[in-house]
Parts: sequence; structure tokens; C-alpha cells
Amino acid sequence: RKEVEQDPGPFNVPEGATVAFNCTYSNSASQSFFWYRQDCRKEPKLLMSVYSSGNEDGRFTAQLNRASQYISLLIRDSKLSDSATYLCVVNIKGQAGTALIFGKGTTLSVSS
Amino acid sequence: EAGVTQFPSHSVIEKGQTVTLRCDPISGHDNLYWYRRVMGKEIKFLLHFVKESKQDESGMPNNRFLAERTGGTYSTLKVQPAELEDSGVYFCASSQVSDGGGYTFGSGTRLTVV
Repeated sequence: RKEVEQDPGPFNVPEGATVAFNCTYSNSASQSFFWYRQDCRKEPKLLMSVYSSGNEDGRFTAQLNRASQYISLLIRDSKLSDSATYLCVVNIKGQAGTALIFGKGTTLSVSS
Repeated sequence: EAGVTQFPSHSVIEKGQTVTLRCDPISGHDNLYWYRRVMGKEIKFLLHFVKESKQDESGMPNNRFLAERTGGTYSTLKVQPAELEDSGVYFCASSQVSDGGGYTFGSGTRLTVV
């Protein structure tokens, strides 16, 4: 079983749509949670951290359910510029380092 | 503030050759990480430096890979001898704190072994 699992998509949505991505992680010792965005042939960039209380940044809302080991990202009012791959990322507590564990990513394509 | 710089951006080498990748982290970032993405797979951790010391190298695939960070500034990742399965994109990242957040990634080196 993969440590971080995501639906690979692709998700093809029209502009203005609301889209939700889900992610599950297998290690209950996971400590920190993030959504990264990666554009084609570019580096990953931090979109937002994810907190147990849930957090929002403009059109983006992230949720964390530790009991279910589940993370979500909701994008409202999708823009063309949101087209990218969204990576679910966790950090495992207790490891010697601070390695990030990445999911394979969910591809979003927003069309006009 | 300058970002994380990686060199070269692309490298095509023959199986059995040696390649050295370089990463210049953001100035003042003690933490430097190497990650790799091979085709069709997720990005995977290779190793973590704190200044010049290897904090965690549990992700290094085998002894053909050697990472150094002399003086705690830039880092190099050498692959010797390269194999076909080493092809992929090698990302470097740096951060000021080691709590798992605040990473800045470089744009990566795309390595192709033929």
C-alpha cells in the first residue's frame, strides 16, 4: 500500500466549477500535511499547509481528518490558471530527518 | 531573494558514465534536501543535509549515488556509474527550519541515461 494515495485524475472541469481532491495516508505517525502544486515540467510549489481545524486561502479550502487519515482540497470558482498537478504531501513524525512523502498527484485541467 | 538553483537543467549521458548534479540553496538555509521523480512514480526523498552533515540518507537508492555538501553551502549529487533506471528529474530543496514545511524547490535537473 502506498504511503500517500491520490486519485490521479485527470479532472477536466469548466471554468467556474468547484472541484475536490482527496488523499489518504497510511502512516498514523504523520505529523504535517501539505498540498503542493506542480505545473508541467516545473518544480513543486507549496500551495498550502493543512491543519486539523481546516483552513482556507481564497478559493482554496483544505481539510484534514486524522481519524480517517484523509486530506482534502476544495477549489471553488476554478480558473484556467488552476490547471496543474496537485500533490498531497505528508511529513512523518519521528523520522531522523524531515522527509516529505509525496502522493503521485492529481491532474486538473480547467477549460473555457 | 534568489531561489534554489540547480545545474544543469538537463543532462543526457550514456549508461556507465558519471554525472554530477549541483544545487545552490537559498542563502542561510541550513537544510538541504534531494528528491527524485522517475517516470510514472511519485517524488521520492533521497537525503537531507543539515549544514554539511547528512541528517538522513535513507532514501539513497544504492552506493552509486554520492551526495556532498562541503562547507554547508552548495551540494552535489554524483551518480557513478549511471544506469538506465536512474533517469528522472532530480529536485533539490532548501528550508530554514526542519519541521517539514517551508520548503523551496529548485527547478530540477532532468537526467536521461541512454
